[in-house]
Amino acid sequence: GAVVSQHPSRVICKSGTSVKIECRSLDFQATTMFWYRQFPKQSLMLMATSNEGSKATYEQGVEKDKFLINHASLTLSTLTVTSAHPEDSSFYICSAPPPGGVTDTQYFGPGTRLTVL
Amino acid sequence: AQSVSQHNHHVILSEAASLELGCNYSYGGTVNLFWYVQYPGQHLQLLLKYFSGDPLVKGIKGFEAEFIKSKFSFNLRKPSVQWSDTAEYFCAVPRGNNRLAFGKGNQVVVIP
Repeated sequence: GAVVSQHPSRVICKSGTSVKIECRSLDFQATTMFWYRQFPKQSLMLMATSNEGSKATYEQGVEKDKFLINHASLTLSTLTVTSAHPEDSSFYICSAPPPGGVTDTQYFGPGTRLTVL
Repeated sequence: AQSVSQHNHHVILSEAASLELGCNYSYGGTVNLFWYVQYPGQHLQLLLKYFSGDPLVKGIKGFEAEFIKSKFSFNLRKPSVQWSDTAEYFCAVPRGNNRLAFGKGNQVVVIP
């Protein structure tokens, strides 16, 4: 099946620094990708929809200046956590539906564990 | 907007026991529902889905779920679990534009 990769799988950074997380669709093109975050023992919360060639669409309550999203190509979306703080520590997961697919065929990346010290 | 709720976040059971995980959805119109599973260290993957038709849906690895409209429920079941079923299970519902809303998940631990 289609594969979505994320890099890095784990990152530890100091408070105040910025961290970039990559999401790649490996064998299909994705005009849309989604970014989720998951706190321990909680649900996946949708943060934003990444749109190739246009601005991302952020969910209510998500700071777009804090979480910068760039969908540079049909196979790559990046999430940059700017001026990270300990409360940004979380598990970040991306997903992508293949072209023409319906919601059920979204493919998920393995996630990136961010720890901000 | 549609949403789903799951209860009993942690479930611990022995091999060969039966498993049932509850999922209730909030919207009363046309409903599409999903169960996703995340095995330790692996990606989220689709376990089964309901769009229409037979309310009893069969999924991978012996799982099934029953859509009961009158109860707003889509509970996941497996009659006899194995150690390899240890995973986190998420119920989900579409929110439009290919977005998904997930429940809080059930962490299932199967003891050999």
